Amino acid sequence: QKEVEQNSGPLSVPEGAIASLNCTYSDRGSQSFFWYRQYSGKSPELIMFIYSNGDKEDGRFTAQLNKASQYVSLLIRDSQPSDSATYLCAVIPGSNYQLIWGAGTKLIIKP
Amino acid sequence: KAGVTQTPRYLIKTRGQQVTLSCSPISGHRSVSWYQQTPGQGLQFLFEYFSETQRNKGNFPGRFSGRQFSNSRSEMNVSTLELGDSALYLCASSGLAGEDEQFFGPGTRLTVL
Repeated sequence: QKEVEQNSGPLSVPEGAIASLNCTYSDRGSQSFFWYRQYSGKSPELIMFIYSNGDKEDGRFTAQLNKASQYVSLLIRDSQPSDSATYLCAVIPGSNYQLIWGAGTKLIIKP
Repeated sequence: KAGVTQTPRYLIKTRGQQVTLSCSPISGHRSVSWYQQTPGQGLQFLFEYFSETQRNKGNFPGRFSGRQFSNSRSEMNVSTLELGDSALYLCASSGLAGEDEQFFGPGTRLTVL
């Protein structure tokens, strides 16, 4: 059973601090990794994707991938109240192309 | 480029009825995936269609079915509705068979009374 695990939270972070969200996956052959943000009552929106080991930066967001340890993380610098949302991790396993989703981490940025 | 559209946005049905939801993917996208999301729950995968063929299927009963047309538009149908079917139904499109990042529509919120 391929799995993607996330801490459900809520994760509370002061405004202006760095929020760190983590995701682990079970399929060592996984190739593609995605982070989505979902506001309450809205549909998920893609924030970042990463395919290679290391870091990928986009504005205030950095995705980090460590295939040896089978985890992917999302860092949000200078956190803003508008970053308060549920963050979903998704992985494409090595055996087929269907996304496997984590249950999401609820992030709360406190002013 | 227009995004993923879903119709209707809201729907109220009673137990035992059936419902059909529609999804139009981003132009050029050939893969459409359907998800069910209930309050506090993650995305539950229903099925994925690529070029009019069901490529993957989740663990939902046979009351849930879908299809895809030659223009990549997709429909999902739920027959004999149950109270537990009340949820947000999301459609996502991608360029290839789930191989690329998925882009979501706004969802259809179904309430079963």
